[in-house]
Amino acid sequence: GAGVSQSPSNKVTEKGKDVELRCDPISGHTALYWYRQRLGQGLEFLIYFQGNSAPDKSGLPSDRFSAERTGESVSTLTIQRTQQEDSAVYLCASSYTTQTSHEQYFGPGTRLTVT
Amino acid sequence: DQQVKQNSPSLSVQEGRISILNCDYTNSMFDYFLWYKKYPAEGPTFLISISSIKDKNEDGRFTVFLNKSAKHLSLHIVPSQPGDSAVYFCAASMDTGRRALTFGSGTRLQVQP
Repeated sequence: GAGVSQSPSNKVTEKGKDVELRCDPISGHTALYWYRQRLGQGLEFLIYFQGNSAPDKSGLPSDRFSAERTGESVSTLTIQRTQQEDSAVYLCASSYTTQTSHEQYFGPGTRLTVT
Repeated sequence: DQQVKQNSPSLSVQEGRISILNCDYTNSMFDYFLWYKKYPAEGPTFLISISSIKDKNEDGRFTVFLNKSAKHLSLHIVPSQPGDSAVYFCAASMDTGRRALTFGSGTRLQVQP
């Protein structure tokens, strides 16, 4: 079946502009996560959705970052007034929420470059 | 404070030999551990996982070992193949709450033909 998809695959923006990144999770996956990977580093957790509510936003680095999710479907991550330190690959993952499953399935990511 | 650490940024092995990738963690609340493989320009792909109630899990050429007392886990790939060349990430999660994954910084594995 279809995996997690993300768009755009690449985004170059000027400092100070707003950007919106999109994630389409695997159908039926109730949990959705956003992560960020800076160059040479591991993935950092940003935000978690269960359905369309976000019980954990603790990883969002500043109030310039926000995200929303429509039902158990598409999610968008918005970065306002982008800064150069926002340059990274933004990865979305989805999973079932069960007592035994911890595996998350990742999309290909959006590479954001802020010039 | 890095809760999951992969201290070897790179590893090179010969085709057919064993690859051993190591991972250490500091948070004793972690109770589930996963390994992901990542090729350039792709998202991480789930490889294998282990619950803290086990000390070994095997899936084909891949085996993960967990030493809870040492807070250490390792991924063994045998025999290694050139297609295994990728960046491998160790990740950990807790059985409660959001289950967000905490990742190590990755180890780049190069399997030489």
